[in-house]
Amino acid sequence: GAGVSQSPRYKVAKRGQDVALRCDPISGHVSLFWYQQALGQGPEFLTYFQNEAQLDKSGLPSDRFFAERPEGSVSTLKIQRTQQEDSAVYLCASSTTGTSGGNEQFFGPGTRLTVL
Amino acid sequence: SQQGEEDPQALSIQEGENATMNCSYKTSINNLQWYRQNSGRGLVHLILIRSNEREKHSGRLRVTLDTSKKSSSLLITASRAADTASYFCATSKAAGNKLTFGGGTRVLVKP
Repeated sequence: GAGVSQSPRYKVAKRGQDVALRCDPISGHVSLFWYQQALGQGPEFLTYFQNEAQLDKSGLPSDRFFAERPEGSVSTLKIQRTQQEDSAVYLCASSTTGTSGGNEQFFGPGTRLTVL
Repeated sequence: SQQGEEDPQALSIQEGENATMNCSYKTSINNLQWYRQNSGRGLVHLILIRSNEREKHSGRLRVTLDTSKKSSSLLITASRAADTASYFCATSKAAGNKLTFGGGTRVLVKP
């Protein structure tokens, strides 16, 4: 059983370039989350999908950030015109639909983005 | 912005000792979770405690939750070198909802 996978693992971009980060969630997981983790900090929420619907994008820091999950499985986080402050690790997590039992999230290894 | 704070920020102990770390949060929650992150790797879920629970055990882990004080603690007993990692608490306002993480506690277990 494969876990959550992310690609690329490392990405170096020049300031102003566009980047696309991919997340493959665990098969059958309905919920998918993106988080941003700055060096030495805890992850911060970016956006959330339930199947293909983006239900919460309140954490996206600017309109340069865009996420999609068109078929309710693979998701892509796109950052346009990257800035140095975008340098961080981008984590993807998936979970089964939340029930009264709670919501353990399964995290991928992350994509480390460095903007020069 | 992050929901809570963890204390201490860093902890260094000898193998075999117990490690205790605390987490405080600000708003009402549905559940609180603890995650471990090894250097350069993803987060691994350790334990979840619901708002109507006060204590939970899993192997060498013991978690307490005090909703009146909006705080939680994680105890790792009989620590091992492999427990060296950063530990994060995360809260959720509703089941299936996004997680809000604390800043983490970096634990070093010396052999």
